[in-house]
Amino acid sequence: GESVGLHLPTLSVQEGDNSIINCAYSNSASDYFIWYKQESGKGPQFIIDIRSNMDKRQGQRVTVLLNKTVKHLSLQIAATQPGDSAVYFCAENPLQFYFGTGTSLTVIP
Amino acid sequence: DAGVIQSPRHEVTEMGQEVTLRCKPISGHNSLFWYRQTMMRGLELLIYFNNNVPIDDSGMPEDRFSAKMPNASFSTLKIQPSEPRDSAVYFCASSRDRQTRANQPQHFGDGTRLSIL
Repeated sequence: GESVGLHLPTLSVQEGDNSIINCAYSNSASDYFIWYKQESGKGPQFIIDIRSNMDKRQGQRVTVLLNKTVKHLSLQIAATQPGDSAVYFCAENPLQFYFGTGTSLTVIP
Repeated sequence: DAGVIQSPRHEVTEMGQEVTLRCKPISGHNSLFWYRQTMMRGLELLIYFNNNVPIDDSGMPEDRFSAKMPNASFSTLKIQPSEPRDSAVYFCASSRDRQTRANQPQHFGDGTRLSIL
């Protein structure tokens, strides 16, 4: 079946470094992607989205890159801070917003 | 602005009991989603509503699970009878109308942590 998956289940980075979280998808018909951040004990929180007619979108300290050729999505976090420690999910539409198990990001002070 | 509100935040009950989870979506959002999250399976969509009508319930695990949305500001997810394998965190999310405004992000509540003993 079609699915969204994450390459790495865990990622540790030094505070101040940049973080890159990757995501692969298999449905070439997907036209909208979202990155969510989930902190312990809370629900997923919207970070940034991107539509399939774009290959890059920037937010505050975050950038999402979309490579439709290889069906790959990445989230870049600049100057990673301890508050960025969380699980990050990507999700795709128009499927039923299938989420992978997520990537756990740990920021080392 | 108030976000998605779920209650209770925690529920512990014995197997066989009925469990009812509640959700109040963000005002103005026409789509509502129920998810279940476990370590093994991650975040799974159970059912979603658009304008109070169930659109896709293919993710509902079995007949023991049912969901209703009697009005635009309230939804329930019921499990009867509950079983230990239903233990999980249940999330409700809402978004603007997916039918007429595609590509809308979902906004999640903080979930109900359910433990069935």
